Amino acid sequence: IAGITQAPTSQILAAGRRMTLRCTQDMRHNAMYWYRQDLGLGLRLIHYSNTAGTTGKGEVPDGYSVSRANTDDFPLTLASAVPSQTSVYFCASSETGGAGLYGYTFGSGTRLTVV
Amino acid sequence: GQNIDQPTEMTATEGAIVQINCTYQTSGFNGLFWYQQHAGEAPTFLSYNVLDGLEEKGRFSSFLSRSKGYSYLLLKELQMKDSASYLCAVVDSNYQLIWGAGTKLIIKP
Repeated sequence: IAGITQAPTSQILAAGRRMTLRCTQDMRHNAMYWYRQDLGLGLRLIHYSNTAGTTGKGEVPDGYSVSRANTDDFPLTLASAVPSQTSVYFCASSETGGAGLYGYTFGSGTRLTVV
Repeated sequence: GQNIDQPTEMTATEGAIVQINCTYQTSGFNGLFWYQQHAGEAPTFLSYNVLDGLEEKGRFSSFLSRSKGYSYLLLKELQMKDSASYLCAVVDSNYQLIWGAGTKLIIKP
């Protein structure tokens, strides 16, 4: 593993189903983030974690939950998926709770379609 | 509210120069990033400006004017591989990144 690994790469999900998107980093970064990216809207922050054991809500947190049991893993759960959650989801990390000099490192994304 | 504006799409010719503008109104300012994102891929870091002026890095340069809330990304000697979206992001007073919607750059031969 080098950087951030996201799984699955893509998924088609029935509405009402529960799903967890996985994110693992090997850079020992303290802060991690979940974004969704929709055409014309840019990246929108869902949840973040500045350090293991803590989480916070971003701009669009409704319908999503996260946990940060350790430094490396930051899973995103959709408790009951709805079609409006169809999007590309990116996990990102940074050394500290701020953007620093090099911003964020991104995973390769998960393309989720809710039908 | 916080707002970052970029043109939605631009077209340029291979070998030419293109300037992508970004204007911002945010609660505080602690730096500005430019990222490149190829279709279907993750954003990757291009540049960071925190002081006024021009930062040059090979074919790419980034300019910042804090008093005008303005930045631009300048791409020289355009290559086909430069076809991508370019994202402007501002670090706000809470040291979080606020993202623009991105500018899709199309390079024509």
